[in-house]
Amino acid sequence: DVKVTQSSRYLVKRTGEKVFLECVQDMDHENMFWYRQDPGLGLRLIYFSYDVKMKEKGDIPEGYSVSREKKERFSLILESASTNQTSMYLCASSSGPGGEFFGPGTRLTVL
Amino acid sequence: TQLLEQSPQFLSIQEGENLTVYCNSSSVFSSLQWYRQEPGEGPVLLVTVVTGGEVKKLKRLTFQFGDARKDSSLHITAAQPGDTGLYLCAGANTNAGKSTFGDGTTLTVKP
Repeated sequence: DVKVTQSSRYLVKRTGEKVFLECVQDMDHENMFWYRQDPGLGLRLIYFSYDVKMKEKGDIPEGYSVSREKKERFSLILESASTNQTSMYLCASSSGPGGEFFGPGTRLTVL
Repeated sequence: TQLLEQSPQFLSIQEGENLTVYCNSSSVFSSLQWYRQEPGEGPVLLVTVVTGGEVKKLKRLTFQFGDARKDSSLHITAAQPGDTGLYLCAGANTNAGKSTFGDGTTLTVKP
């Protein structure tokens, strides 16, 4: 069964903390994505990656960075968490354009 | 910028009723996907349509891709409470690794 896993389902952090969100896929997909989802704003793409060590900015990259050292793993980093980064974070992977497989999400609360 | 508009935004119906949700754009897409998302979970890919005019059926769900590949519809026959969720459409193009997501239709099916 194909799978995208995320390191935490729920996370509570304090303002200014450095936050790491990990995502692992077992489908040997080239493409991986990080989105955030907020009520009324839909899914917004933060960063994506076509290959190991490659990254592309999405629609809202400010305040975030990413790392892809291995094909199966894509990490999202909040260098200094702020309250407006409280959100549902979703990781996804795909083998080509369209048809993404999503993880279960991480609900991050920044106090 | 490619945009996808979904309608209606919210839909509440009784069990057994039929419904159609729409996904429209002024842009052409190589393929279009439909996802269902339950509260607190990641979206799950239901179907991909790639040919203009294509119709795909998944049990009580019928998906259609418009002839011009700019729009799509999802029809559910005899809705059940288990169909409740957020339905998202997404468009993709061959030369772009990322998808464009609509804002979704929130469907509630009452027993």
